[in-house]
Amino acid sequence: GAVVSQHPSRVICKSGTSVKIECRSLDFQATTMFWYRQFPKQSLMLMATSNEGSKATYEQGVEKDKFLINHASLTLSTLTVTSAHPEDSSFYICSARQTGATYEQYFGPGTRLTVT
Amino acid sequence: AQKITQTQPGMFVQEKEAVTLDCTYDTSDPSYGLFWYKQPSSGEMIFLIYQGSYDQQNATEGRYSLNFQKARKSANLVISASQLGDSAMYFCAMREVYTGANSKLTFGKGITLSVRP
Repeated sequence: GAVVSQHPSRVICKSGTSVKIECRSLDFQATTMFWYRQFPKQSLMLMATSNEGSKATYEQGVEKDKFLINHASLTLSTLTVTSAHPEDSSFYICSARQTGATYEQYFGPGTRLTVT
Repeated sequence: AQKITQTQPGMFVQEKEAVTLDCTYDTSDPSYGLFWYKQPSSGEMIFLIYQGSYDQQNATEGRYSLNFQKARKSANLVISASQLGDSAMYFCAMREVYTGANSKLTFGKGITLSVRP
């Protein structure tokens, strides 16, 4: 089956620093990737949709200057949390949709970000 | 308006018994897809089952089946012969097809299932 990886799986950073999270589709090409955020015991909230080679589309209320998304290739999308603060601590999950797929969408294992 | 509703509190089931997890949805799009995902404590989202709005038969995948009642806008997940490893959070999600290639998955708030030995 299709595999999506995320790196790192867990990261701790200091307030004010930036952290980059990578999302890779390992065995398929993904024109579209999605970034979600999940707080404990809550649902997944879509942050943005990224398409290879174009600007990401952000959901309402998500600061595009704070959460920078780059989808530079058909197998890699990155999320950079800039000037992180403790309230940015969360579980970030990416998802990739295979190019040409009707409905399949595969999720990465998630990245747990803790900002101290 | 909330598009996916999961209102059950935490669910408990005895090992080897069947359990039904409820999901109702709301959409005006005639073409949509319904999904169920499992999220164990490790955090990964595991795809379980998919039902298309035009599918004539209820979807089944091993021990999972989807009780799709289109008129009632419900898509309940039935897990047969529960196993201890089924203990997890379960999310119902919907994608409306006519919103295009970037059509998004909208998730319900999830249900926690605990399987008792």
